[in-house]
This record gives sequence, C-alpha cells and structure tokens, in this order.
Amino acid sequence: AQSVTQLDSQVPVFEEAPVELRCNYSSSVSVYLFWYVQYPNQGLQLLLKYLSGSTLVKGINGFEAEFNKSQTSFHLRKPSVHISDTAEYFCAVFSNDYKLSFGAGTTVTVRA
Amino acid sequence: DTEVTQTPKHLVMGMTNKKSLKCEQHMGHRAMYWYKQKAKKPPELMFVYSYEKLSINESVPSRFSPECPNSSLLNLHLHALQPEDSALYLCASSRGDKTVDQGQPQHFGDGTRLSIL
Repeated sequence: AQSVTQLDSQVPVFEEAPVELRCNYSSSVSVYLFWYVQYPNQGLQLLLKYLSGSTLVKGINGFEAEFNKSQTSFHLRKPSVHISDTAEYFCAVFSNDYKLSFGAGTTVTVRA
Repeated sequence: DTEVTQTPKHLVMGMTNKKSLKCEQHMGHRAMYWYKQKAKKPPELMFVYSYEKLSINESVPSRFSPECPNSSLLNLHLHALQPEDSALYLCASSRGDKTVDQGQPQHFGDGTRLSIL
C-alpha cells in the first residue's frame, strides 16, 4: 500500500519568510502526488499535483514542490508567506481504486 | 468558490433523529466520495461511487447510508448517530474513468459540520 509521511506536525513562520513542508512517500509503483490546503472552516483545496514529467511543479498561490524519486520526497515550498497562508496542509498519494492516502497534516501558522 | 456544493453547512441533531447531507457537482465527474474528518486529522474515506454505483464502502457503520440518485448528486442519510460521529463530512468528486483517472485530483466541497447531541 502506498503511504505518505509528513515530517512536521506544526510549522510556525514569520510573514515574508520562506517555508518548506516536508513529505515523504512510500511506493513501489507509479506515483501520483498531491498537496492540498485546508483553510479554517473550509474543505480541501488542491495546491498542486505531480503526475509525471518535470520534477518541479508549480501550483497556486506561489507554492511549488519538487518530486525527488531517489529520496522519495515531495516537499512543498513558498519563498515568502503571507498571513493568509495560515492553514493545514496535507500531502497525499494516489493509491488505487480511487483512494487517496493522506499524510497526518502540517499546521502552518504565519505570524506578523 | 468551490465547484462541489454541500448542504447544510452546519447540522445539529439528536441521536434519534434522521437527517441527510447533500452534495452536488456539475463538472461532469463520474466518481463521488464521502469523507469524515475529525479536528486536526486528515480526511478518512467512507464511500466511493463510480458511475452511480457504490464501489467502495470502508466498513462504515450502517447508521450511515449513502445514495447516488444521479451523476451530479450524492446524499448521505444519517440515522441513530452516536456522539463520536460528530465531525466535518466532506464530499469530493473526480473524473471517474478508472483507466485514466489515476492522478486526477479530487475536488472537495466545504463540508457539513455535524454535531450529535
């Protein structure tokens, strides 16, 4: 079974500082990876996805992620965060039969 | 704005009540999902419908009963729930063609926050 591990449960960061959220996956087959964001009192919104091709994936709101097959990682980055980036972030891998396996989540708190 | 619409946004019900959660999408997606999410936890898959047929039931108690009346609508009927069923219930959809759907993202609604008294 495919799974993901998010290495940081909480990431506090100051406004305009860079942030990196770490995600490692385990898979022996083709990998399809996603990052979702969940703002307070909302559902999950897709930030970006990796299906194939370029290992650097650009998403919405200035986020990007790099797929690293040798390190089985898919870390999410943003060079300069805003207060509005305060949210829960989930890394996920497509399993099979329509199943998404989610990581435990990383809470990002942006402070002024 | 989300393309998956869930109603109601909030629901408070007693353990003996019967209520339904509704989900609607107009993206032409043929796979629809129900998830349960507890605070500070990732969503847990409950049910998957593919082409209006139930394809996955993750051993969910029978007090939760899903229904897919057509390709745009998904309901979750609730009866005799327990306090531990209080959670955010999320609906999602994806394209639904198994041969090409690998990697197609799921689109989520904003959820129904359910409280059981």
